[in-house]
Amino acid sequence: QVQLQESGPGLVKPSQTLSLTCTVSGGSISSGDYYWSWIRQPPGKGLEWIGYIYYSGSTYYNPSLKSRVTISVDTSKNQFSLKLSSVTAADTAVYYCARDGGPMGFDYWGQGTLVTVSS
Amino acid sequence: EIVLTQSPATLSLSPGERATLSCRASQSVSSYLAWYQQKPGQAPRLLIYDASNRATGIPARFSGSGSGTDFTLTISSLEPEDFAVYYCQQRSNWLPGTFGGGTKVEIK
Repeated sequence: QVQLQESGPGLVKPSQTLSLTCTVSGGSISSGDYYWSWIRQPPGKGLEWIGYIYYSGSTYYNPSLKSRVTISVDTSKNQFSLKLSSVTAADTAVYYCARDGGPMGFDYWGQGTLVTVSS
Repeated sequence: EIVLTQSPATLSLSPGERATLSCRASQSVSSYLAWYQQKPGQAPRLLIYDASNRATGIPARFSGSGSGTDFTLTISSLEPEDFAVYYCQQRSNWLPGTFGGGTKVEIK
């Protein structure tokens, strides 16, 4: 059974960089069968896809966030990470990592982690 | 950007009733549409992919239909555990894209 787990600070100051890591177990990022995505959800609101990475390191980002987002992968640790720079209160959200099966959808999700942007 | 509009925003039904949820895209997404269920405090769960294919372990009472710009998620007979928020999500050119605003299915 594939499991994903997000980790990182729950509080980030405005203008700083949000950093999260997703650890994958029960499956290998290096298998090449999936993409690995970050998705967020502001409190009480809908879902927004942030971006994905392939095991090779190739990435694709949501155009609305592209200038501030970096996603990286560490296949030796079976982890992938998110960095979001110059955060504001609007970036306060629950951040999820998910396995992306392409047209087959996001089939496994982490439990999510709340990141609050506040001084 | 492709906009997905879900309707209604809220659906009030009783257990055993049929639920019909709509998702309309601002331009064609072919069949690249998925549906997710989300309960409070939980991550979304994949129900349907490619418009009409049930994900692994999803009960047969959930079905999806449509193509192009108009899609429907149907729950044939609501069970108590089905009361939740449902989101559609499109992929254009294989790339992940926008989610709809969600439909809340609540107990009448």
